[in-house]
Amino acid sequence: GAGVSQSPSNKVTEKGKDVELRCDPISGHTALYWYRQSLGQGLEFLIYFQGNSAPDKSGLPSDRFSAERTGGSVSTLTIQRTQQEDSAVYLCASSSIAGGGTDTQYFGPGTRLTVL
Amino acid sequence: GDSVTQMEGPVTLSEEACLTINCTYTATGYPSLFWYVQYPGEGLQLLLKATKADDKGSNKGFEATYRKETTSFHLEKGSVQVSDSAVYFCALSAQGSNYKLTFGKGTLLTVNP
Repeated sequence: GAGVSQSPSNKVTEKGKDVELRCDPISGHTALYWYRQSLGQGLEFLIYFQGNSAPDKSGLPSDRFSAERTGGSVSTLTIQRTQQEDSAVYLCASSSIAGGGTDTQYFGPGTRLTVL
Repeated sequence: GDSVTQMEGPVTLSEEACLTINCTYTATGYPSLFWYVQYPGEGLQLLLKATKADDKGSNKGFEATYRKETTSFHLEKGSVQVSDSAVYFCALSAQGSNYKLTFGKGTLLTVNP
């Protein structure tokens, strides 16, 4: 079946602009995670959605970052007033049953964001 | 908080050499442990996992054993191939953290023919 998809695959933007990154999880997966991969910080958790529960936003680095998940499926990560330090690969992952520790998180190919 | 420490690379080996990549963790409770692999130009893929102490995860000739007494999950392979060249990430997830993955910094492995 189809895996996790993300769009766009690459995004180049100017400092100060807003960007939206999209994630389509595997159908039927109730848990969805956003991570960021950068040279300096490695792989970092950003935000977690599980069903209709309030999201866990504890990893968002600033209030310029926000995310939503509509209809329990597609998720959008928005970065407002982008800064050069936001340049990174943004990864989305989904898993099946309540994000349980035994459930594999399946990753999308990522969106490479470059802020000029 | 939870953390993962893995040996820094890069690691360069000849084909058929033995591989060990060390990984230790700090976590409250009983986390699940994972090794993820990122091949050049590709996304993150789960390589293997273990969910409780003394469990051994294995896949593609790689193995790792969940050692609670030493809080370790070292990745091993007896004979590496050129196609194993990739970045390897050790990770943990725990119920108290909504099962988010906490990753080590990654180890770049290059296998030469």
